[in-house]
Amino acid sequence: EAQVTQNPRYLITVTGKKLTVTCSQNMNHEYMSWYRQDPGLGLRQIYYSMNVEVTDKGDVPEGYKVSRKEKRNFPLILESPSPNQTSLYFCASSLAKRGNEQYFGPGTRLTVT
Amino acid sequence: GEDVEQSLFLSVREGDSSVINCTYTDSSSTYLYWYKQEPGAGLQLLTYIFSNMDMKQDQRLTVLLNKKDKHLSLRIADTQTGDSAIYFCAESMETSGTYKYIFGTGTRLKVLA
Repeated sequence: EAQVTQNPRYLITVTGKKLTVTCSQNMNHEYMSWYRQDPGLGLRQIYYSMNVEVTDKGDVPEGYKVSRKEKRNFPLILESPSPNQTSLYFCASSLAKRGNEQYFGPGTRLTVT
Repeated sequence: GEDVEQSLFLSVREGDSSVINCTYTDSSSTYLYWYKQEPGAGLQLLTYIFSNMDMKQDQRLTVLLNKKDKHLSLRIADTQTGDSAIYFCAESMETSGTYKYIFGTGTRLKVLA
């Protein structure tokens, strides 16, 4: 089944404790992206990647890191999480072509206390 | 800067038509999208329109694009309770061979039986 998986689905952590949210897709998509969803703000793009070893900042990259060492994986790293990073995070992937559908993962709900 | 705006809520009666509106600011957008998010799930693409088109119809869905006013709308005919969800408008912009996505705040559609 074609899908985007994220782990963990739920995470409660404390300020400053490094964490990684994994994202994996099995559709051989070149393009992968991370978003955060906050009430009243919609989805905001954090980082995106056009292909292996190619990453770019989205609108809200501060406090986040990503890497794209393999085509299927695109982990999101929070080196020192803060409470303002409490949010619902989505990973998405698509072919790197105009007008292509992004396939979204199920989301990771992160709470930083 | 780039911005996509939507009203936050819409309530309609089952069987009526729903019209969800969106305004965007970036005239260089290549594609405009409508995504649907059901409770507890990721986003799924409903339909998209290329920026040189005025209208696109797909079964119960009609997308209208007014490029002069930078206004996009999604009409759902014969709205059903299963259409209750959050609907996101999004635009994609291509710059130097990369694609960036801007999403709106989302419109929560409630269908009353």
